[in-house]
Amino acid sequence: DAGVIQSPRHEVTEMGQEVTLRCKPISGHDYLFWYRQTMMRGLELLIYFNNNVPIDDSGMPEDRFSAKMPNASFSTLKIQPSEPRDSAVYFCASRTSSGGAVEQYFGPGTRLTVT
Amino acid sequence: GEDVEQSLFLSVREGDSSVINCTYTDSSSTYLYWYKQEPGAGLQLLTYIFSNMDMKQDQRLTVLLNKKDKHLSLRIADTQTGDSAIYFCAERLYGNNRLAFGKGNQVVVIP
Repeated sequence: DAGVIQSPRHEVTEMGQEVTLRCKPISGHDYLFWYRQTMMRGLELLIYFNNNVPIDDSGMPEDRFSAKMPNASFSTLKIQPSEPRDSAVYFCASRTSSGGAVEQYFGPGTRLTVT
Repeated sequence: GEDVEQSLFLSVREGDSSVINCTYTDSSSTYLYWYKQEPGAGLQLLTYIFSNMDMKQDQRLTVLLNKKDKHLSLRIADTQTGDSAIYFCAERLYGNNRLAFGKGNQVVVIP
């Protein structure tokens, strides 16, 4: 398996522009998580889905952020309009729902810079 | 609620042992994890421990859990240059799908 795939790997955009980050989870995984990583705040959970349904979006910073999962193999995180304080590395992770420790598998991340 | 604390930076000579510490606040944690993040990459699970265990050994890695003090540690024996990374501890609460991560320890291995 190719692992969790994220695109683009790097995104540089100007303030006010719309940004769309993409994620393809590992096939067969029914949980998908979006995280944001910054030096100041560490790794923050933004939202997670189970079977394509958003379960907890309490970490989404504000209405400028939205996430969708139209099918089991694709999710997007959109920021509109983007602001410089959104600059961060955004990670997508997926896992199965089987019992036990249940490892989350992370993608390589998208480094977003908003100027 | 969940709150995971880690110190920030550790420098260690190649071949020595390194110990990374973490404290957590929620006693209802079920699993505690150590993840490794190499530069420019996502997090990778190294090992985990169930909350009813005190210790787990996995090759060069030893995890110690002190439930009374809510303290978790990761010992890396014979540290190698490839161990240079940021290490995150994380806790998962019973019945919860979320992981709460610490801010990470950066480990630098000096040849």
